[in-house]
Amino acid sequence: EVVMTQSPGTLSVSPGERLTLSCRTSQSVSNSLAWYQQKPGQAPRLLIYGASTRATGIPARFSGSGSETEFTLTVSSLQSEDFAVYYCHQYANWPRTFGQGTKVEFK
Amino acid sequence: QEQLVESGGGVVRPGGSLRLSCAASGFALKPYGMHWVRQAPGKGLEWVAFLWRDGVKKDYPDSVNGRFTISKDNYKNTLYLQMDSLRVEDTAIYFCARDVSWYIELWGRGTLVTVSS
Repeated sequence: EVVMTQSPGTLSVSPGERLTLSCRTSQSVSNSLAWYQQKPGQAPRLLIYGASTRATGIPARFSGSGSETEFTLTVSSLQSEDFAVYYCHQYANWPRTFGQGTKVEFK
Repeated sequence: QEQLVESGGGVVRPGGSLRLSCAASGFALKPYGMHWVRQAPGKGLEWVAFLWRDGVKKDYPDSVNGRFTISKDNYKNTLYLQMDSLRVEDTAIYFCARDVSWYIELWGRGTLVTVSS
């Protein structure tokens, strides 16, 4: 099983700041890595797939990078609606696995 | 508008069974692989089942293999998850989700399953 490790667990930031989230995998997943955003009481929303491709309708302030075992999600200028939990997810191997999430909270 | 709506959640005793449904609207299920993913209260996401688009091949993690069965009815445009021998640790919100090129693209809003005596 591919173990996903996200860091940090919680991040306190202010609107307008740059946000960088990390996701590491226990073995190479090539670029088969997606990022999701989840707000309380809502389903996750796809942000990034293929490690760096923005999903339809996702603002350009969201970007993804990385390959193999190290990945990053960057939000260039955090907006109020971006406060949420972010999950990374690998789809290279079975079983599919998710990171434990990074909570982005208001500073 | 493409949408997935889950139903069938509720309270069940340990050892009991429950069948979840996921109705698709705005698109046909037939060409897609479909997942079930769960989220225990206050916890992260855990993948629990995948049905290949042929409707035959299925994959499960060890935690539910042999207890859960995923299936679909293309005519009713509905995905199912039959859950047997339920355990307290199966308590979670269950989401159905659409697979596109192996990643999860579209999620339902979820249905809550509580396993408690």
